[in-house]
Amino acid sequence: GENVEQHPSTLSVQEGDSAVIKCTYSDSASNYFPWYKQELGKGPQLIIDIRSNVGEKKDQRIAVTLNKTAKHFSLHITETQPEDSAVYFCAAPLAGGTSYGKLTFGQGTILTVHP
Amino acid sequence: NAGVTQTPKFQVLKTGQSMTLQCAQDMNHNSMYWYRQDPGMGLRLIYYSASEGTTDKGEVPNGYNVSRLNKREFSLRLESAAPSQTSVYFCASSERGAKSGEQYFGPGTRLTVL
Repeated sequence: GENVEQHPSTLSVQEGDSAVIKCTYSDSASNYFPWYKQELGKGPQLIIDIRSNVGEKKDQRIAVTLNKTAKHFSLHITETQPEDSAVYFCAAPLAGGTSYGKLTFGQGTILTVHP
Repeated sequence: NAGVTQTPKFQVLKTGQSMTLQCAQDMNHNSMYWYRQDPGMGLRLIYYSASEGTTDKGEVPNGYNVSRLNKREFSLRLESAAPSQTSVYFCASSERGAKSGEQYFGPGTRLTVL
């Protein structure tokens, strides 16, 4: 099955700076990579996802890049704001491929944005 | 639209006790999931139900059973709770086969096993 490693485990930035979180995966057949944001006391919520037919996807201040050769994908948050403070998780199909069902998640990154 | 609801929000059990965590969704989704979340380990899939009447094991199924009661409801049962099952449990749902693989999560159940 797929294995996802996420780094860093904690990230502290000043408001307005950029934040980057990176994940590596093991199964070259995986081709769906979502990112979830979890605020304190709540369940995770999808913020962006990417499929392997594209190398980058943007949505306002967030973007995800995918390097299939190196088997890693990254979340980029620009112009960070205090409300971006949360735990961020990357994920990939548990059994590889394009499984919109079973996912395996990274260990999570605690992002803190200081005003 | 309530989305995904979970009951109870908090539960304390003694080792060996049993309990059932309830989950319901009102989005008419086919697929439902149970995850556990432990510090430093992210979310790990316990069981998955692709559609009503079907269930499949995830990464950490041992010690758990599930029932897909109908399209709306998916319950998780601990027959004999152990301290290692202390965790936060999340239920999620998604539309099977949709272009977006988005999973919608409930608010979680915090379980402590003494």
